[in-house]
Amino acid sequence: DAKTTQPPSMDCAEGRAANLPCNHSTISGNEYVYWYRQIHSQGPQYIIHGLKNNETNEMASLIITEDRKSSTLILPHATLRDTAVYYCIVSSEETSGSRLTFGEGTQLTVNP
Amino acid sequence: GAVVSQHPSWVICKSGTSVKIECRSLDFQATTMFWYRQFPKQSLMLMATSNEGSKATYEQGVEKDKFLINHASLTLSTLTVTSAHPEDSSFYICSAVGQGGPNYGYTFGSGTRLTVV
Repeated sequence: DAKTTQPPSMDCAEGRAANLPCNHSTISGNEYVYWYRQIHSQGPQYIIHGLKNNETNEMASLIITEDRKSSTLILPHATLRDTAVYYCIVSSEETSGSRLTFGEGTQLTVNP
Repeated sequence: GAVVSQHPSWVICKSGTSVKIECRSLDFQATTMFWYRQFPKQSLMLMATSNEGSKATYEQGVEKDKFLINHASLTLSTLTVTSAHPEDSSFYICSAVGQGGPNYGYTFGSGTRLTVV
């Protein structure tokens, strides 16, 4: 699986958009970009995933560059409950049972 | 959405005893389950992958005789930490993927905090 690089920490003001970057320059053609987050002492929570098109759901938007070497997770209106470690992961196929390998992630702190 | 139930959420055991952690997929058939371990302030580290009805595949450096994984049904996998020692104290998390599950594939349990005293 391709390796990802994320900033170790970011801060965001409550109510503002949080933009979390991720580099995955070695991603291969069949690998998806997944975003999960982990609130302290809980299991990871799925946020969004995509292959090459931008995606949006009720939680967030995922912007993937045309060359697919990087992506940005956007939380449009961050709240205090969005404070968590956000993991960007690339993995082949959606439901093949390929493992998810977690990097260090980005600690997002949403401030009042 | 898909739910993976992990039990217990926390456990304290004496050194030398064994502890079993259960992971159940409640509304889908988990053909593959993954077990992770997470130490404080660190990321999740994959320990093993188990497919229903088959022996688990362990990651390098993970002792298969110490961390026994059973995945005998499509809805249940168990991780048994045998002869636990204080260095086994950690946060253990399971993940499941399979038929009837969400399209994103991977659903995680809520984790088990193991403390060995």
